Amino acid sequence: KQEVTQIPAALSVPEGENLVLNCSFTDSAIYNLQWFRQDPGKGLTSLLLIQSSQREQTSGRLNASLDKSSGRSTLYIAASQPGDSATYLCAVSPSIGNTGKLIFGQGTTLQVKP
Amino acid sequence: DVKVTQSSRYLVKRTGEKVFLECVQDMDHENMFWYRQDPGLGLRLIYFSYDVKMKEKGDIPEGYSVSREKKERFSLILESASTNQTSMYLCASSRLSFRQAEVGQPQHFGDGTRLSIL
Repeated sequence: KQEVTQIPAALSVPEGENLVLNCSFTDSAIYNLQWFRQDPGKGLTSLLLIQSSQREQTSGRLNASLDKSSGRSTLYIAASQPGDSATYLCAVSPSIGNTGKLIFGQGTTLQVKP
Repeated sequence: DVKVTQSSRYLVKRTGEKVFLECVQDMDHENMFWYRQDPGLGLRLIYFSYDVKMKEKGDIPEGYSVSREKKERFSLILESASTNQTSMYLCASSRLSFRQAEVGQPQHFGDGTRLSIL
């Protein structure tokens, strides 16, 4: 059974730091991996989607990498800002069955201090 | 921009009531999903649908049912609400992916409904 783990559960950094959030999954047979952001009391916002055949995706200050063979993904945030404070979740889509299904990690709660 | 709208942000119901949670998306997406989110347990899939009148069980379907009569609307039904169904409920939608093309589609979420069962 696919399991997704995110470490650390919480992270606090000063403004301006570059940081890395980690995601690991137990079964390398995935269709894609997605990173989401969730603000308190809100739904999830899709940040980046990496297809299984890709190694990385970039959007502005965000860069996500994928190493399927080792079951790992990282989300790199450059020059962090207080507005980046949120919970970040990764999710994998299994390669068997409906491609829309996602299995989520429990998230990393990020606080960026001014 | 994709918009997924959940009918209520906050809802309070009593044990034993039949509860309807509504979700509407405006991007003609084939897939729609219902999750619940609980502290320490993360997001768990309740049901999903990839077409009108089609539904599939997720990981925790017990105590729930769904209805998809129109492509844009996906309803979650708590047949007889219980206190352990107090939770944040999130609806999502996505375009159907064709595996051969290897192009996955992101899921778009609504703002959630915080449901309390008393």
